[in-house]
Amino acid sequence: DIQMTQSPSSLSASVGDRVTITCRASQNTYNNLNWYQQRPGKAPKLLIYTASSLQTGVPSRFSGSGSGTDFTLTISSVQPEDFATYYCQQSYNTPYTFGRGTKLENK
Amino acid sequence: QMQLVESGGGVVQPGQSLRLSCAASGFTFNSYGINWVRQAPGGGLTWVALISYDGSNKYYADSVKGRFTISRDNSKNTVFLQMNSLRGDDTAVYYCARACSGAECYPHAYYYYGLDVWGQGTTVTVSS
Repeated sequence: DIQMTQSPSSLSASVGDRVTITCRASQNTYNNLNWYQQRPGKAPKLLIYTASSLQTGVPSRFSGSGSGTDFTLTISSVQPEDFATYYCQQSYNTPYTFGRGTKLENK
Repeated sequence: QMQLVESGGGVVQPGQSLRLSCAASGFTFNSYGINWVRQAPGGGLTWVALISYDGSNKYYADSVKGRFTISRDNSKNTVFLQMNSLRGDDTAVYYCARACSGAECYPHAYYYYGLDVWGQGTTVTVSS
């Protein structure tokens, strides 16, 4: 199985800050790496697919980068609605695996 | 609009069975793979199973292999998750999710896509 190591597990930021979350895979995922946002009590929402492609309807302040085994999710200017938990996921090989999540909190 | 609606959750005792349903609307159901993903209370996301657009291929997490069965009825736009021999660590919210990323997805490429449409989840509690 491909292990996904996500960091940090939590992050404090203020509105307007730039934040970066990292995700490392235990083996090459050939850019089959996705990022999700989950608000409390809600289903996850796809933000980024194939490492750097912005899902339709997602604000452009979200961006993804990386290749092979190392990936990042960046929010260029945090907005109030962005305080949530973020997960990376590899879809290269089943069993698909998720990172353990990063909780973005309001400082 | 595109929608997935799960049902069938509930409270059961260890060793019992439950069948979850995921009803789709607003898109061409038989062109998409469908996944089940679960989330234990206070925990992260765990992938459970995937079925191809035509039902010919099925994939499972090791933790559910041999106990859970995914299936679909394309005439009813519905995917099922039959869960047998339930255990306490199966307690979770279960989501179904469509395999697709971006504006256009192809049936035969279902395996590599992200999950773009999710249901609201159905809660399964296994407790004596």
